[in-house]
Formats: sequence, C-alpha cells, structure tokens
Amino acid sequence: GAVVSQHPSWVICKSGTSVKIECRSLDFQATTMFWYRQFPKQSLMLMATSNEGSKATYEQGVEKDKFLINHASLTLSTLTVTSAHPEDSSFYICSARESWGTGNTIYFGEGSWLTVV
Amino acid sequence: AQTVTQSQPEMSVQEAETVTLSCTYDTSESDYYLFWYKQPPSRQMILVIRQEAYKQQNATENRFSVNFQKAAKSFSLKISDSQLGDAAMYFCAYKSQGAQKLVFGQGTRLTINP
Repeated sequence: GAVVSQHPSWVICKSGTSVKIECRSLDFQATTMFWYRQFPKQSLMLMATSNEGSKATYEQGVEKDKFLINHASLTLSTLTVTSAHPEDSSFYICSARESWGTGNTIYFGEGSWLTVV
Repeated sequence: AQTVTQSQPEMSVQEAETVTLSCTYDTSESDYYLFWYKQPPSRQMILVIRQEAYKQQNATENRFSVNFQKAAKSFSLKISDSQLGDAAMYFCAYKSQGAQKLVFGQGTRLTINP
C-alpha cells in the first residue's frame, strides 16, 4: 500500500516555543492531507483538512492561529504548533488521500508524540 | 451528518479463534466507502480492509473479511484464526463519495488471549 511518513516521531519542546511536524506521501501524490489529534483511549479527532496550494479548512473549535498548516506541495504538509503549552501535549497523526483512481483510500503516517514541558 | 458507532469498547478472543467486531453507521447517501483500520500499540493506523457501498460482494483480505449489510447499515469485521499480532484498537470509518474526510467510530480494543 501507499506510504505516508511523519516526522518527528517524538518531540519535546519548552512551553512557549513552536514545533513543526512534517507529513510526507512517499510514493504517491496527495492533493489532500488531514491532521488529527488523538487523546488517550479515544478515537481520532480531525483538526483540519489541507489541500495543496490552498488554505487549510479547520474543524470547529480548532484554533487556526495556533495550529498552522501548510501544504506547499503534493507530497508534503506541515503542522506547526505555535506557542505550545502543556495542554497541547498529545499524539498527532496525519493522513493523505491518494489522488489517483477514485481517491477514496486514505493512508496514515506513523504519528508524532508531542510533549510540551 | 454521518455517524459511525462501534458498540463494543473491548473484545477478547482466544488465539486461533474467530472474532467479529461490530460497526453500524448512519447516512442518507447511497454512494460511500467503509473502512476498517487497525491501530496497534505503535499507534500507526493500518488499513485492514475497505468496502465500496455499490459492491454487493463482501470484501476479503486474507484472514479478514467483512459482513456488509447495506440496508441495515452494518459493517462488521470478522477476523479468522486470530493471532497475537492482531491485538490492537480497531476503528471503523465511513467516507461518502463526495467528501474528503473520514468519519470514525469510537474504536474497539481487541485482546488476543494465548
């Protein structure tokens, strides 16, 4: 199947700083990527939908100025958590929608653990 | 809005036995896709199987098969010959034909007993 790579897998940052997480589709072009947050023992919560070359669409309740999403190419989307606080500590997962065929299968990255201290 | 319900928070099965995970969904659309994703302790989301709503034949991938009942809006996952490596959270997901995003169920934690 298609491969989506997420980096870094683990990151610790100081409160008040910003941290960037990258999501790459390695062997396919993804016009659409998605960013999720997952709390312990819960399902995935969609944060935003990212379309290549345009602004991301954020879900209700997600601060777009805090969670900056950039999708500059067909293979790369980035999530930047700005002015991070301990409550932003979480597991963040990206996914990418294949552009070929029906574009109806979505593949996930390995996820990134963010700890804000 | 579409919703996906997994009514079993936890399930367990003996190794080599068969287990079925339940999933129901609510939609008014006729064209859509259904998925089962596996999330092992590594937290990587792995696509297990997918079903197109227009197909009457149930999808099968090796030991994994689904029972897709469109009229009942049910999409259960059957795992045959359960293996220790099948232990994970399993998420049922829905995607309508015209939409970009997935709608997830709450997940079912599957434990395999040796």
